[in-house]
Amino acid sequence: DAGVIQSPRHEVTEMGQEVTLRCKPISGHNSLFWYRQTMMRGLELLIYFNNNVPIDDSGMPEDRFSAKMPNASFSTLKIQPSEPRDSAVYFCASRWGLGGRSKTQYFGPGTRLLVL
Amino acid sequence: AQTVTQSQPEMSVQEAETVTLSCTYDTSESDYYLFWYKQPPSRQMILVIRQEAYKQQNATENRFSVNFQKAAKSFSLKISDSQLGDAAMYFCAYRNSGNTPLVFGKGTRLSVIA
Repeated sequence: DAGVIQSPRHEVTEMGQEVTLRCKPISGHNSLFWYRQTMMRGLELLIYFNNNVPIDDSGMPEDRFSAKMPNASFSTLKIQPSEPRDSAVYFCASRWGLGGRSKTQYFGPGTRLLVL
Repeated sequence: AQTVTQSQPEMSVQEAETVTLSCTYDTSESDYYLFWYKQPPSRQMILVIRQEAYKQQNATENRFSVNFQKAAKSFSLKISDSQLGDAAMYFCAYRNSGNTPLVFGKGTRLSVIA
């Protein structure tokens, strides 16, 4: 099992540019989560999907952020336009299960984003 | 909304000794799950241990064990025979039953002294 795959692992961009982060969940998992980690705010949930459907995007900071999951094996998180305060590590995580006995959540290695 | 509190921003332990990391949570649910994740300098989030609230027995994984006190809403992690590789950030996390996201504490940075 390859685990959750994220790309790129590191991204340096200039303010105002569009940034697209990608995630491939573990095969068979039906829930996908995007988190952001900063020193100041810790780990924050941005959005999550169940069966490719966005369930809760209340953590998305503002309209500059958008996420899609066109199929069970791929998701993107886009920031347009990017700002320096978006600099953080972005994690994707996936999990199998619906209902009371869903399984453990596994994290990807993260994308370290730096916006200059 | 559920909250998770880790009151120890930093801890240190001598190699081969035992250390306990604290975690408390707030919920009105009766069925839920609790987790400890480890984040080494590589930033990878690694599951250490998991506890189902309906189980009275404390979870154990090799040198890692928990003290789950449901009435007190406390979920501490004990690391026995600490090793240099245990040095990391440790996050306590909570999840309701059902397919809901994890809620994380702020983390405890553990240093292991040789």
